[in-house]
Amino acid sequence: QQQVKQSPQSLIVQKGGISIINCAYENTAFDYFPWYQQFPGKGPALLIAIRPDVSEKKEGRFTISFNKSAKQFSLHIMDSQPGDSATYFCAASSGSRLTFGEGTQLTVNP
Amino acid sequence: DVKVTQSSRYLVKRTGEKVFLECVQDMDHENMFWYRQDPGLGLRLIYFSYDVKMKEKGDIPEGYSVSREKKERFSLILESASTNQTSMYLCASSLVAIQGYGYTFGSGTRLTVV
Repeated sequence: QQQVKQSPQSLIVQKGGISIINCAYENTAFDYFPWYQQFPGKGPALLIAIRPDVSEKKEGRFTISFNKSAKQFSLHIMDSQPGDSATYFCAASSGSRLTFGEGTQLTVNP
Repeated sequence: DVKVTQSSRYLVKRTGEKVFLECVQDMDHENMFWYRQDPGLGLRLIYFSYDVKMKEKGDIPEGYSVSREKKERFSLILESASTNQTSMYLCASSLVAIQGYGYTFGSGTRLTVV
């Protein structure tokens, strides 16, 4: 049973465009929501994270929007660049265990 | 930087073989995790450990076991490898016992069972 649902599975964006990846969760006990970025041949690396007491967090071109009542959160990548091409995973945790979404393969065309 | 090292990048094993995947971290982290990564399924937790000689089942432990004899090393064992265990295996470690943040992943071991 997938507790964190992620969409879309793949995304193609032109350079300079906005990339949006969405996640929905079921477990209301989740209290930490990170996003991980994975390049080919590498393990995932923490990109940005949010707690449910805030609705938005921004770090550079990356923004997480969080809607607690809808149990949804999303990653926005502004001014997308070819170097952003990677697989992105949302995740959620209660305690120290992370539950991951299915992943989104982002391709940013030059 | 924390380094998590997985001993093999690629492995090819035969059905029925006993397979050991090794993971070592160099930052004295208490927590260590084994995930498998499959297209369209994301990362699924197999086993994790909060301390030496301590282990807990994750979401998909069937067919796997683990060993943590030393703090820095966490081994994943496939007792009798099967073709449905062909996958990318990722090891991670973290310092903080509360909350899921601060995971550092290794680069993964791509296991093929033939």
